[in-house]
Amino acid sequence: GAVVSQHPSRVICKSGTSVKIECRSLDFQATTMFWYRQFPKQSLMLMATSNEGSKATYEQGVEKDKFLINHASLTLSTLTVTSAHPEDSSFYICSASGLYEQYFGPGTRLTVT
Amino acid sequence: KQEVTQIPAALSVPEGENLVLNCSFTDSAIYNLQWFRQDPGKGLTSLLLIQSSQREQTSGRLNASLDKSSGRSTLYIAASQPGDSATYLCAVGANFGNEKLTFGTGTRLTIIP
Repeated sequence: GAVVSQHPSRVICKSGTSVKIECRSLDFQATTMFWYRQFPKQSLMLMATSNEGSKATYEQGVEKDKFLINHASLTLSTLTVTSAHPEDSSFYICSASGLYEQYFGPGTRLTVT
Repeated sequence: KQEVTQIPAALSVPEGENLVLNCSFTDSAIYNLQWFRQDPGKGLTSLLLIQSSQREQTSGRLNASLDKSSGRSTLYIAASQPGDSATYLCAVGANFGNEKLTFGTGTRLTIIP
Protein backbone atom coordinates (compact mmCIF):
# COMPACT_ATOMS: atom_id res chain seq x y z
CA GLY A 1 0.00 0.00 0.00
CA ALA A 2 0.93 3.66 -0.35
CA VAL A 3 3.15 4.90 2.46
CA VAL A 4 3.71 8.47 3.51
CA SER A 5 6.34 9.40 6.07
CA GLN A 6 6.90 12.56 8.08
CA HIS A 7 10.02 13.76 9.77
CA PRO A 8 10.48 14.59 12.54
CA SER A 9 7.72 12.90 14.51
CA ARG A 10 8.23 15.28 17.42
CA VAL A 11 10.03 18.58 17.71
CA ILE A 12 10.44 21.10 20.50
CA CYS A 13 11.75 24.52 19.60
CA LYS A 14 12.16 27.89 21.22
CA SER A 15 9.93 30.81 20.40
CA GLY A 16 11.25 32.79 17.46
CA THR A 17 13.05 29.93 15.74
CA SER A 18 12.03 28.16 12.54
CA VAL A 19 11.16 24.51 12.15
CA LYS A 20 11.04 22.42 8.99
CA ILE A 21 8.79 19.37 8.63
CA GLU A 22 9.24 16.92 5.77
CA CYS A 23 6.54 14.85 4.11
CA ARG A 24 7.59 12.06 1.77
CA SER A 25 5.64 9.62 -0.37
CA LEU A 26 7.78 6.51 -0.18
CA ASP A 27 6.45 4.26 -2.92
CA PHE A 28 4.51 6.51 -5.25
CA GLN A 29 4.69 9.91 -6.84
CA ALA A 30 2.35 12.63 -5.70
CA THR A 31 1.79 15.77 -7.71
CA THR A 32 -0.35 17.11 -4.91
CA MET A 33 0.25 17.05 -1.18
CA PHE A 34 -1.82 18.60 1.57
CA TRP A 35 -0.89 20.03 4.96
CA TYR A 36 -3.31 19.87 7.87
CA ARG A 37 -3.15 21.16 11.42
CA GLN A 38 -4.91 19.65 14.40
CA PHE A 39 -5.24 21.39 17.76
CA PRO A 40 -5.97 19.30 20.88
CA LYS A 41 -9.41 17.70 20.87
CA GLN A 42 -10.23 19.26 17.52
CA SER A 43 -10.49 17.93 14.01
CA LEU A 44 -8.05 18.37 11.14
CA MET A 45 -8.06 21.72 9.39
CA LEU A 46 -6.55 22.06 5.95
CA MET A 47 -3.78 24.65 5.86
CA ALA A 48 -2.60 24.49 2.28
CA THR A 49 -2.45 22.48 -0.90
CA SER A 50 1.03 21.87 -2.26
CA ASN A 51 1.54 21.23 -5.96
CA GLU A 52 4.86 20.02 -7.34
CA GLY A 53 6.68 22.75 -9.17
CA SER A 54 4.27 25.55 -8.34
CA LYS A 55 3.27 27.77 -5.46
CA ALA A 56 1.13 26.36 -2.70
CA THR A 57 -2.49 27.37 -2.30
CA TYR A 58 -3.29 28.49 1.23
CA GLU A 59 -6.63 28.29 2.99
CA GLN A 60 -8.24 31.43 4.28
CA GLY A 61 -6.67 32.64 7.50
CA VAL A 62 -3.37 30.77 7.02
CA GLU A 63 -0.37 33.09 6.72
CA LYS A 64 1.68 32.07 3.72
CA ASP A 65 4.72 34.00 4.93
CA LYS A 66 4.66 32.17 8.22
CA PHE A 67 4.02 28.68 6.90
CA LEU A 68 6.37 28.21 3.96
CA ILE A 69 5.63 25.24 1.75
CA ASN A 70 7.99 23.81 -0.84
CA HIS A 71 7.11 20.90 -3.11
CA ALA A 72 10.32 20.48 -5.03
CA SER A 73 9.84 16.90 -6.18
CA LEU A 74 7.07 14.37 -6.74
CA THR A 75 7.92 12.63 -3.48
CA LEU A 76 8.77 15.45 -1.09
CA SER A 77 6.96 18.45 0.35
CA THR A 78 8.26 20.54 3.23
CA LEU A 79 6.49 22.84 5.64
CA THR A 80 8.58 25.44 7.43
CA VAL A 81 7.07 27.22 10.41
CA THR A 82 8.95 30.50 10.56
CA SER A 83 9.40 32.50 13.75
CA ALA A 84 7.40 29.97 15.67
CA HIS A 85 5.35 31.04 18.67
CA PRO A 86 3.65 28.98 21.39
CA GLU A 87 0.30 29.32 19.62
CA ASP A 88 1.82 27.42 16.67
CA SER A 89 2.15 24.36 18.90
CA SER A 90 0.01 21.74 17.24
CA PHE A 91 -0.08 18.39 15.46
CA TYR A 92 0.79 18.80 11.78
CA ILE A 93 -0.27 16.05 9.35
CA CYS A 94 0.49 15.81 5.66
CA SER A 95 -1.18 13.72 3.00
CA ALA A 96 -0.19 12.77 -0.51
CA SER A 97 -2.66 12.43 -3.31
CA GLY A 98 -2.82 9.00 -4.87
CA LEU A 99 -4.90 7.78 -7.76
CA TYR A 100 -8.19 7.56 -5.87
CA GLU A 101 -7.55 8.84 -2.37
CA GLN A 102 -5.19 10.68 -0.10
CA TYR A 103 -2.65 8.84 1.98
CA PHE A 104 -1.74 10.34 5.33
CA GLY A 105 1.54 10.64 7.16
CA PRO A 106 1.88 9.81 10.86
CA GLY A 107 2.00 13.45 11.91
CA THR A 108 4.50 15.76 13.60
CA ARG A 109 3.96 17.09 17.09
CA LEU A 110 5.36 20.61 17.34
CA THR A 111 5.83 22.21 20.72
CA VAL A 112 7.05 25.81 20.89
CA THR A 113 8.38 26.90 24.26
CA LYS B 1 -18.53 25.98 1.91
CA GLN B 2 -18.71 22.31 2.89
CA GLU B 3 -19.40 21.63 6.55
CA VAL B 4 -19.16 18.18 8.07
CA THR B 5 -20.72 17.32 11.42
CA GLN B 6 -20.44 14.16 13.46
CA ILE B 7 -22.87 13.10 16.15
CA PRO B 8 -22.37 12.19 18.91
CA ALA B 9 -19.15 13.92 19.91
CA ALA B 10 -18.43 11.16 22.40
CA LEU B 11 -19.87 7.72 22.95
CA SER B 12 -19.28 5.02 25.55
CA VAL B 13 -20.69 1.54 25.12
CA PRO B 14 -20.09 -1.84 26.77
CA GLU B 15 -17.94 -4.35 24.97
CA GLY B 16 -19.82 -6.57 22.54
CA GLU B 17 -22.48 -4.07 21.57
CA ASN B 18 -23.12 -2.93 18.03
CA LEU B 19 -22.97 0.82 17.46
CA VAL B 20 -23.52 3.47 14.82
CA LEU B 21 -21.59 6.67 14.27
CA ASN B 22 -23.16 9.44 12.23
CA CYS B 23 -21.72 11.94 9.78
CA SER B 24 -23.60 14.65 7.91
CA PHE B 25 -22.42 17.09 5.27
CA THR B 26 -24.01 20.20 3.81
CA ASP B 27 -22.96 20.01 0.15
CA SER B 28 -23.98 16.81 -1.59
CA ALA B 29 -21.64 17.39 -4.55
CA ILE B 30 -18.91 15.15 -3.20
CA TYR B 31 -16.42 12.86 -4.91
CA ASN B 32 -16.03 10.43 -2.05
CA LEU B 33 -16.38 10.00 1.69
CA GLN B 34 -13.85 8.37 3.93
CA TRP B 35 -13.88 7.14 7.50
CA PHE B 36 -10.70 7.29 9.56
CA ARG B 37 -9.62 6.17 12.96
CA GLN B 38 -7.24 8.21 15.09
CA ASP B 39 -5.63 6.96 18.29
CA PRO B 40 -4.50 9.57 20.84
CA GLY B 41 -1.43 11.44 19.65
CA LYS B 42 -1.25 9.43 16.45
CA GLY B 43 -1.95 9.93 12.77
CA LEU B 44 -4.90 8.71 10.77
CA THR B 45 -5.75 5.15 9.80
CA SER B 46 -8.06 4.85 6.83
CA LEU B 47 -10.95 2.49 7.51
CA LEU B 48 -13.33 2.72 4.58
CA LEU B 49 -13.61 4.78 1.42
CA ILE B 50 -16.94 5.18 -0.36
CA GLN B 51 -17.05 6.65 -3.83
CA SER B 52 -19.98 8.96 -4.59
CA SER B 53 -21.54 6.33 -6.85
CA GLN B 54 -21.51 3.70 -4.11
CA ARG B 55 -24.00 3.13 -1.30
CA GLU B 56 -21.85 1.22 1.16
CA GLN B 57 -18.54 -0.44 1.88
CA THR B 58 -17.69 -3.22 4.29
CA SER B 59 -14.49 -4.34 5.94
CA GLY B 60 -14.64 -6.97 8.64
CA ARG B 61 -16.81 -5.70 11.48
CA LEU B 62 -17.16 -2.28 9.89
CA ASN B 63 -19.82 -1.15 7.47
CA ALA B 64 -20.12 2.37 6.11
CA SER B 65 -23.11 3.65 4.20
CA LEU B 66 -23.55 6.77 2.12
CA ASP B 67 -26.73 8.63 1.23
CA LYS B 68 -25.44 11.46 -0.89
CA SER B 69 -28.79 13.07 -1.57
CA SER B 70 -29.52 13.53 2.12
CA GLY B 71 -25.93 14.36 3.00
CA ARG B 72 -25.44 11.50 5.45
CA SER B 73 -23.11 8.64 6.16
CA THR B 74 -23.05 6.11 8.95
CA LEU B 75 -20.32 3.86 10.27
CA TYR B 76 -21.60 0.67 11.82
CA ILE B 77 -19.31 -1.27 14.14
CA ALA B 78 -20.42 -4.77 15.04
CA ALA B 79 -19.49 -6.62 18.21
CA SER B 80 -17.41 -3.78 19.60
CA GLN B 81 -14.09 -4.52 21.32
CA PRO B 82 -11.94 -2.44 23.71
CA GLY B 83 -9.42 -2.07 20.89
CA ASP B 84 -12.01 -0.13 18.93
CA SER B 85 -11.64 2.75 21.39
CA ALA B 86 -10.40 5.74 19.39
CA THR B 87 -11.63 8.90 17.71
CA TYR B 88 -13.44 8.31 14.44
CA LEU B 89 -13.36 10.98 11.76
CA CYS B 90 -15.30 11.20 8.56
CA ALA B 91 -14.07 13.31 5.68
CA VAL B 92 -15.62 14.26 2.36
CA GLY B 93 -13.67 14.78 -0.83
CA ALA B 94 -14.50 17.61 -3.19
CA ASN B 95 -16.13 17.09 -6.53
CA PHE B 96 -13.06 16.76 -8.71
CA GLY B 97 -11.30 13.89 -6.99
CA ASN B 98 -7.99 13.98 -5.16
CA GLU B 99 -8.95 17.41 -3.97
CA LYS B 100 -8.90 18.61 -0.43
CA LEU B 101 -10.79 16.75 2.25
CA THR B 102 -13.14 18.42 4.68
CA PHE B 103 -13.07 16.66 8.01
CA GLY B 104 -15.85 16.21 10.49
CA THR B 105 -15.66 17.10 14.13
CA GLY B 106 -15.03 13.50 15.19
CA THR B 107 -16.62 11.03 17.58
CA ARG B 108 -14.56 9.86 20.54
CA LEU B 109 -15.52 6.23 21.13
CA THR B 110 -14.84 4.35 24.35
CA ILE B 111 -15.58 0.65 24.62
CA ILE B 112 -16.01 -0.43 28.22
CA PRO B 113 -14.59 -3.90 28.97
